[in-house]
Amino acid sequence: GAGVSQTPSNKVTEKGKYVELRCDPISGHTALYWYRQSLGQGPEFLIYFQGTGAADDSGLPNDRFFAVRPEGSVSTLKIQRTERGDSAVYLCASSHRLAGASGANVLTFGAGSRLTVL
Amino acid sequence: DQQVKQNSPSLSVQEGRISILNCDYTNSMFDYFLWYKKYPAEGPTFLISISSIKDKNEDGRFTVFLNKSAKHLSLHIVPSQPGDSAVYFCAASAKGSTLGRLYFGRGTQLTVWP
Repeated sequence: GAGVSQTPSNKVTEKGKYVELRCDPISGHTALYWYRQSLGQGPEFLIYFQGTGAADDSGLPNDRFFAVRPEGSVSTLKIQRTERGDSAVYLCASSHRLAGASGANVLTFGAGSRLTVL
Repeated sequence: DQQVKQNSPSLSVQEGRISILNCDYTNSMFDYFLWYKKYPAEGPTFLISISSIKDKNEDGRFTVFLNKSAKHLSLHIVPSQPGDSAVYFCAASAKGSTLGRLYFGRGTQLTVWP
């Protein structure tokens, strides 16, 4: 597609429920990222995929969070046993940059999925 | 701990004047700095970047200045326009770190009034 697409745009759930957030990156972008933006904060890195594999998942806050990208395109962020502190905007970004290339790595972000845990 | 800091949560400027948004950082391994602009209900969009080996980069009305010794950078917008009203995020990437892993500040809300 023309841009990074994220669904749903808004999700309200109850504490303890399971949630899936979907990201459809720009066609041809091999690198995909998930970031989380809590109220009053800047985006914080969660996980990075290069192709199908998670190259760096060190930003995931705990084992309730998991992400997949089975075919190297669409990615799903999965949150189990949601807690009120998980409420945030979850941003997906993609990039065509390859490791070793010079210059700033510019990420293209989607509009985000706003998650509210009641 | 916040490695990228934007200490001004908001800035209000009259149309036509200069807007100066500031950013400080603590990590000497940062090699690129980027500015993103964010409108409500949209994702951040890339604006301009600068390498740590440069002290200035200009793109139209936008100029970023880097003072490496002070670990400080600033974004200048001249002349400011009402359409520039948005949240501006300063971000940085670190040499040797994960490709595309950016460290963001908390953002500065810029309001340009007519």
